[in-house]
Amino acid sequence: EAQVTQNPRYLITVTGKKLTVTCSQNMNHEYMSWYRQDPGLGLRQIYYSMNVEVTDKGDVPEGYKVSRKEKRNFPLILESPSPNQTSLYFCASSSPEVNTEAFFGQGTRLTVV
Amino acid sequence: DQQVKQNSPSLSVQEGRISILNCDYTNSMFDYFLWYKKYPAEGPTFLISISSIKDKNEDGRFTVFLNKSAKHLSLHIVPSQPGDSAVYFCAASRSTGNQFYFGTGTSLTVIP
Repeated sequence: EAQVTQNPRYLITVTGKKLTVTCSQNMNHEYMSWYRQDPGLGLRQIYYSMNVEVTDKGDVPEGYKVSRKEKRNFPLILESPSPNQTSLYFCASSSPEVNTEAFFGQGTRLTVV
Repeated sequence: DQQVKQNSPSLSVQEGRISILNCDYTNSMFDYFLWYKKYPAEGPTFLISISSIKDKNEDGRFTVFLNKSAKHLSLHIVPSQPGDSAVYFCAASRSTGNQFYFGTGTSLTVIP
């Protein structure tokens, strides 16, 4: 089954404690992205990657890092989380074909206290 | 700066009637548009899309209309069913790119 898998689904952490949210896809997609969803703001792109070792900032990259060492994995790293990073996070993957859709993971609800 | 806008945060419709969800965009470089549906505790799932070379695309009960001159698209659901109750996100992209720009979503409630 084609899927994007995120872990963990829920996470509560304290300010400043480094954390990583993992994302893996089994569709051999070149493109992967991270989004955050906040009330009234919709889905905003944090970072995206067009292939292994190729990453770029999206609209809201501050406070986040990513890496793409393997095609299937695209972890999101919060080196020093702050309460304003409390949000619902989604990983997505897509192929570079023209006019194609993105496939999303189930989401990770992060609370930073 | 929000490049894709959904001005109606919520919509309620009676079962069997038509649901119309609207979306506006500002970037004339967008040439591919998508609608996603999201249930609580799940990720968004792709619903229907349209390329800028078309003005209508239909898939069963779902039809998307694109008005390029007005930079406006809409999703019609006919007939609406209670299972359609979800948040609907409009998205836009350039067909050659990896970046999808999403609206703020419209929460649709279909009343039995």
